[in-house]
Amino acid sequence: EAGVAQSPRYKIIEKRQSVAFWCNPISGHATLYWYQQILGQGPKLLIQFQNNGVVDDSQLPKDRFSAERLKGVDSTLKIQPAKLEDSAVYLCASSLDLGGGRRYEQYFGPGTRLTVT
Amino acid sequence: GENVEQHPSTLSVQEGDSAVIKCTYSDSASNYFPWYKQELGKRPQLIIDIRSNVGEKKDQRIAVTLNKTAKHFSLHITETQPEDSAVYFCAATTGTASKLTFGTGTRLQVTL
Repeated sequence: EAGVAQSPRYKIIEKRQSVAFWCNPISGHATLYWYQQILGQGPKLLIQFQNNGVVDDSQLPKDRFSAERLKGVDSTLKIQPAKLEDSAVYLCASSLDLGGGRRYEQYFGPGTRLTVT
Repeated sequence: GENVEQHPSTLSVQEGDSAVIKCTYSDSASNYFPWYKQELGKRPQLIIDIRSNVGEKKDQRIAVTLNKTAKHFSLHITETQPEDSAVYFCAATTGTASKLTFGTGTRLQVTL
């Protein structure tokens, strides 16, 4: 089966600029996650969607980050304006999870490496 | 919220030896504990997971143990091979939202 797709793979921007990342989850996966992975650290969840609704965005810096999953399939994550500390790999993941307690594997995309100069 | 601590941060073993990575979690309601392997520049990939109703799970050279009372779980890799070299992350999830909290990672180096 096709995996999670992300684009672009790499992006270099200057601080205060804006950037957007795109994710296409595995077909049929209800839940989509955006993670931020800073070099040398574990992934940190930014936002979780179930279908097109937000389940958790408690760690999303809402003053500069936004995300949407309008039709319950693809998703975009935007940063505006970017700061130096936003330099990281942004990982998208998806799973069959429908809530309710049963856990399904999260499949990760290849990530987008963002460098803010 | 959940907090996951992982030790050691780096681990070097000789080929054929065993490697053990340990994690502790803070939320007693956590019920699912996956382990991910991340090779340099690549995506994290699930290698094994365990649910809270099981104490141990094994898959060939990899095993995971869970001690719910002590709130810790461990990854055991036996007969290590050079291709096992990577960063390993533990994670824990709680509640119905399946939010994963990751540990800080262990860089495993298997030397010849």
